[in-house]
Amino acid sequence: AQSVSQHNHHVILSEAASLELGCNYSYGGTVNLFWYVQYPGQHLQLLLKYFSGDPLVKGIKGFEAEFIKSKFSFNLRKPSVQWSDTAEYFCAVNPGGYNKLIFGAGTRLAVHP
Amino acid sequence: DAGVTQSPTHLIKTRGQQVTLRCSPKSGHDTVSWYQQALGQGPQFIFQYYEEEERQRGNFPDRFSGHQFPNYSSELNVNALLLGDSALYLCASSPMRSTDYNTEAFFGQGTRLTVV
Repeated sequence: AQSVSQHNHHVILSEAASLELGCNYSYGGTVNLFWYVQYPGQHLQLLLKYFSGDPLVKGIKGFEAEFIKSKFSFNLRKPSVQWSDTAEYFCAVNPGGYNKLIFGAGTRLAVHP
Repeated sequence: DAGVTQSPTHLIKTRGQQVTLRCSPKSGHDTVSWYQQALGQGPQFIFQYYEEEERQRGNFPDRFSGHQFPNYSSELNVNALLLGDSALYLCASSPMRSTDYNTEAFFGQGTRLTVV
């Protein structure tokens, strides 16, 4: 069955620390990949997406992600986090089109000032 | 431009009852998907509606049903509610172009359903 694994359920960082959240998926075909963020009390918002082309994609608020096809991975990175990045982050895969998204369990990030 | 709107925001129901949740898609979107997000988990795909028909369905029982109206808005119905149906129900809309599936989904704030 298709699945998405996020390696860290909870991450605690200090401001200015670097962030990397892992995401692996199980699907052998062409996929679209997404990272969504859910700030406290708000709806899911798209951080960045990969459809094709350059495997290093840049999103909003200084986030970027790298698609490594051979590792079935799509890790999220940010060089220097801010307190306002405190949120829950979800990796999602669209394995066959039509926007049927398969989500990971999420990573809850807490950034301390 | 209104985003995806869902109603109600919160709902408390008793086991065995039926519930209807509503969703209006983002302007210009014609495809609506529903997700269930249990506490501490990622959203799980329930089903998707396009052109007033169910296009895809996830691994959910027939107690979960839906409808899409000509104006693209949608309803999610759950019959014979169980305690385990307590969750945040998310609606997502996306534009659907028949030759291009590289689109993104926009989510509403969700309806928090509590079954007691």
